[in-house]
Formats: sequence, C-alpha cells, structure tokens
Amino acid sequence: DTGVSQDPRHKITKRGQNVTFRCDPISEHNRLYWYRQTLGQGPEFLTYFQNEAQLEKSRLLSDRFSAERPKGSFSTLEIQRTEQGDSAMYLCASSLAGFNGAPLHFGNGTRLTVT
Amino acid sequence: SQQGEEDPQALSIQEGENATMNCSYKTSINNLQWYRQNSGRGLVHLILIRSNEREKHSGRLRVTLDTSKKSSSLLITASRAADTASYFCATDGKVIFGPGTSLSVIP
Repeated sequence: DTGVSQDPRHKITKRGQNVTFRCDPISEHNRLYWYRQTLGQGPEFLTYFQNEAQLEKSRLLSDRFSAERPKGSFSTLEIQRTEQGDSAMYLCASSLAGFNGAPLHFGNGTRLTVT
Repeated sequence: SQQGEEDPQALSIQEGENATMNCSYKTSINNLQWYRQNSGRGLVHLILIRSNEREKHSGRLRVTLDTSKKSSSLLITASRAADTASYFCATDGKVIFGPGTSLSVIP
C-alpha cells in the first residue's frame, strides 16, 4: 500500500491556461474522489468515480472542469481557461465501495496558483 | 451544501489538557467519521462511529454520537503539540466535510 499519490505537488499557471492534475489511488480501491480546498475551509466535494464511471458531479464543477478515470485506475482533473478563483488545493481520495463507511485515503494534494 | 459543521472554529489549549470539538449535521446518517489535517497535507482518517453506536474509543480519542440531536463530539485526551491540526467531521454518502476546527496545542 503506497498510498494515494498526486502529481504535481504544486502548479503555478497564468490565467487562461489549461492545467491537468493526476491522481493515482490505492490500487485495490474502486472509488475515487476529487475535492477542492481553499485556505481555512473544509474540502469541497467536486466529483467521484466508482471504477471508471463518474457517479456524481458537484455544481461547483463548472464546464471548465472535467475529470476522467479511464480503465478505473488513475484519474485526471483538467481545468480549462483557468481563473484566479481556481487557486486552491485540489485533493484526491480513494476508498473501497461496498463497505459502509469505508474511510477515505487522501493524497497530499496539488496546490494550484493562478496568476 | 454542508452536511456537517464543526464547533468551535478554533481552539487553543495547553499541552496535557483535553480538547473537545463538536459536529452537527442535518440529515439522517449511517455513520460519521472524523479526520485530521496537518497544515499543507491531505486528511487522515481518525475514527468512524456508526449510527447504532453511542460512544467509541481509539487510543486518546473518544467519539460520541447523539442521533436525536444530530451531533457528535470528538475528545482528545492528554493533548500533545503534535495534535495541532484541523479536525473535520464527515457523514456517509458523498462524504461531505464541514469547515473544521483548528486546534492549537501549546507546548
């Protein structure tokens, strides 16, 4: 169990650019979540997958945001035409579905700064 | 919308003292979880309590659940400087987090 890994750890981009983040979950976990967290706030739910199926998307996830989980393994989160308000920590977590209350295992996040 | 909300928002105590933080939630749950987050890191799962449980212990942690009041509390006994972190509660389903309690333990 190598844990959940996220790449990159930090990303600085200029407004209007596109960025893509990657998350590698714990290998046997079939559920994968994306959250966004700003300073002093709790994580805000963005979306989650069970295997390769995207089961739910928050209305926070505007049409500039897209997430994929091809083959039910790693996931990518893309933000197009970034805005300064997108600056935040993006957290990925994974868990085992089918187990009521399965704990989420989090990565250390990707910190995005939009200048 | 947030399902759980922690109280207080911030708490500062001396090392060795006990810390209590509370979580209130809005709708019926199957379970409630507590997480800890150190600055700049991801969240770490601490403990889960199911809706048919009233109290649960894990080391220096004690969690209670009152489903009639839709509330839970997390007690950390004999606090240490290393307990300095933000603490979040989350309910089942999508796992929605509240804004958290920021705990500072002063050596």
